[in-house]
Amino acid sequence: AQSVAQPEDQVNVAEGNPLTVKCTYSVSGNPYLFWYVQYPNRGLQFLLKYITGDNLVKGSYGFEAEFNKSQTSFHLKKPSALVSDSALYFCAVRVPILTGGGNKLTFGTGTQLKVEL
Amino acid sequence: DSGVTQTPKHLITATGQRVTLRCSPRSGDLSVYWYQQSLDQGLQFLIQYYNGEERAKGNILERFSAQQFPDLHSELNLSSLELGDSALYFCASSVALASGGEQYFGPGTRLTVT
Repeated sequence: AQSVAQPEDQVNVAEGNPLTVKCTYSVSGNPYLFWYVQYPNRGLQFLLKYITGDNLVKGSYGFEAEFNKSQTSFHLKKPSALVSDSALYFCAVRVPILTGGGNKLTFGTGTQLKVEL
Repeated sequence: DSGVTQTPKHLITATGQRVTLRCSPRSGDLSVYWYQQSLDQGLQFLIQYYNGEERAKGNILERFSAQQFPDLHSELNLSSLELGDSALYFCASSVALASGGEQYFGPGTRLTVT
């Protein structure tokens, strides 16, 4: 089964420091990987995706992610964290559904990022 | 703002009742997806429609059904509601049936079953 795992329930970082939110994947074939962010009482906001190509993917709000095939990881990074980055972050993988030709996103359990002054 | 709209924002109802959640996709998007977010189950895929046809199904209960109309808006119907159905229900949309494109999520409908 295609899945992603987020090993940390919470990550704490000081403002101005670099941040990393971890994600590992288990996928047969080439993975389509995504990061989303959820602020309180809001929907999920798309940050970035990896389909193919460069292993370093740049996204919204200064976030980037590094795809590592040998380690089956897709960690989210930001060089300098802001208090306003505090939110719930989800890693996801696109899973094709053979019957019907559709697809779905399978999400990790989420990592709460807390950026403190 | 993702461009995906959902109504209502909040819904409080009693066990055994039936509710309808509505979603309008982004302009130009043909695919609509429904997801359920709860504390114990996390984010779970329910169902996908593409241009009016069901194309993918997840662990959607038989008490739940959905449809996509000719104007591409979608409705999720939940019946014989149970306490455990209390959750945040998201709609998402994308341009294609199945591609590497991202899904854009609406703000969600928070359902509380009492």
